[in-house]
Amino acid sequence: SQTIHQWPATLVQPVGSPLSLECTVEGTSNPNLYWYRQAAGRGLQLLFYSVGIGQISSEVPQNLSASRPQDRQFILSSKKLLLSDSGFYLCAWIQSNYGYTFGSGTRLTVV
Amino acid sequence: AQSVTQLDSQVPVFEEAPVELRCNYSSSVSVYLFWYVQYPNQGLQLLLKYLSGSTLVESINGFEAEFNKSQTSFHLRKPSVHISDTAEYFCAVSVKDSSYKLIFGSGTRLLVRP
Repeated sequence: SQTIHQWPATLVQPVGSPLSLECTVEGTSNPNLYWYRQAAGRGLQLLFYSVGIGQISSEVPQNLSASRPQDRQFILSSKKLLLSDSGFYLCAWIQSNYGYTFGSGTRLTVV
Repeated sequence: AQSVTQLDSQVPVFEEAPVELRCNYSSSVSVYLFWYVQYPNQGLQLLLKYLSGSTLVESINGFEAEFNKSQTSFHLRKPSVHISDTAEYFCAVSVKDSSYKLIFGSGTRLLVRP
């Protein structure tokens, strides 16, 4: 079956610390992968997307970066977190017939 | 570039009343259209989508949306809401290119009161 895993579920990090969020997909190959952020009381903002290994497109300039070291692995990183990086981070991939599937999300609080 | 505008940030309505959540989009290329729902403390769920064919699409729980190309709208409607429909609703468009990226509106919070 096709599933998406995202971890950790919650994370509290101090300002200036590094970040690494991981997303993996099972049951498919060469999926398009996406990272979204949902800030409190706001909609979902597309941060990065990837159409293949090593191919990353950034949608907005920010303190974050993304990498895709393997076909079904998508990583969101930061070298130094800011308070404004707090939010709910969602990984997603697209199935056939435009069925987008979202992970369960990571709630990041930067303190 | 594509953008999605949800005109109402919050819509309060009484139970069993009809509701319409408005969505307008802007795009220079063809798009597919979606409505997602997020219940309190839960993830995103697909409510319905328009890919092609009939411009009126329906969900299994009584919602429907109509694609209006001339007005670039995809409003969501339900003739009679329930308390359990209280949630955040997001309109989104998917670009018809190799990225298939999904662009969301800012969301509308539907508050159903008894």
